[in-house]
Amino acid sequence: GAGVSQSPRYKVAKRGQDVALRCDPISGHVSLFWYQQALGQGPEFLTYFQNEAQLDKSGLPSDRFFAERPEGSVSTLKIQRTQQEDSAVYLCASSLGLTGELFFGEGSRLTVL
Amino acid sequence: QQQVKQSPQSLIVQKGGISIINCAYENTAFDYFPWYQQFPGKGPALLIAIRPDVSEKKEGRFTISFNKSAKQFSLHIMDSQPGDSATYFCAAGDNNNDMRFGAGTRLTVKP
Repeated sequence: GAGVSQSPRYKVAKRGQDVALRCDPISGHVSLFWYQQALGQGPEFLTYFQNEAQLDKSGLPSDRFFAERPEGSVSTLKIQRTQQEDSAVYLCASSLGLTGELFFGEGSRLTVL
Repeated sequence: QQQVKQSPQSLIVQKGGISIINCAYENTAFDYFPWYQQFPGKGPALLIAIRPDVSEKKEGRFTISFNKSAKQFSLHIMDSQPGDSATYFCAAGDNNNDMRFGAGTRLTVKP
């Protein structure tokens, strides 16, 4: 596609529910990144994939967060047993390589009640 | 673990004025310093970036000034326009998975 596509754009979950957020990167982009952006803050790194390999997951805040990119293109960020503190915008970005311009999607806004 | 400190949090400038946003970083290993522009409901988009081998980079109305010894860099927007009203994030890193973002500056340019 022309840009990074994320879905859903908005998700409301009850505390304790599991959610799955999808990212469709720019075709041909090897690197894919997930960020968490709290209200009024800058993006915080969560995890990074090079093709299908998850090379860095040091930013995932707890073991309730899980990300995958099984075929090296579309990625899913899963949050189990959601908590109120998980409420944020989850941004996906892709790039041609580990360096170079990051292209961000519009984000998925998660609200946990 | 805020490795990039950005100021001010918000900025109001008259049309035609100069907008200046400042950032400071801690990790001397960082060698890539981008600025991102974010409009409401959109993801951040790269505006301009600099590497530490130069002290200044200019693209149109946007200029980055870089001071390696002080570990500081700034964004200058000349002839600011209402369409520039957005949130601006500085960032620093050596690779994209190391990228650390500032907390953002909300710029309002009044007509």
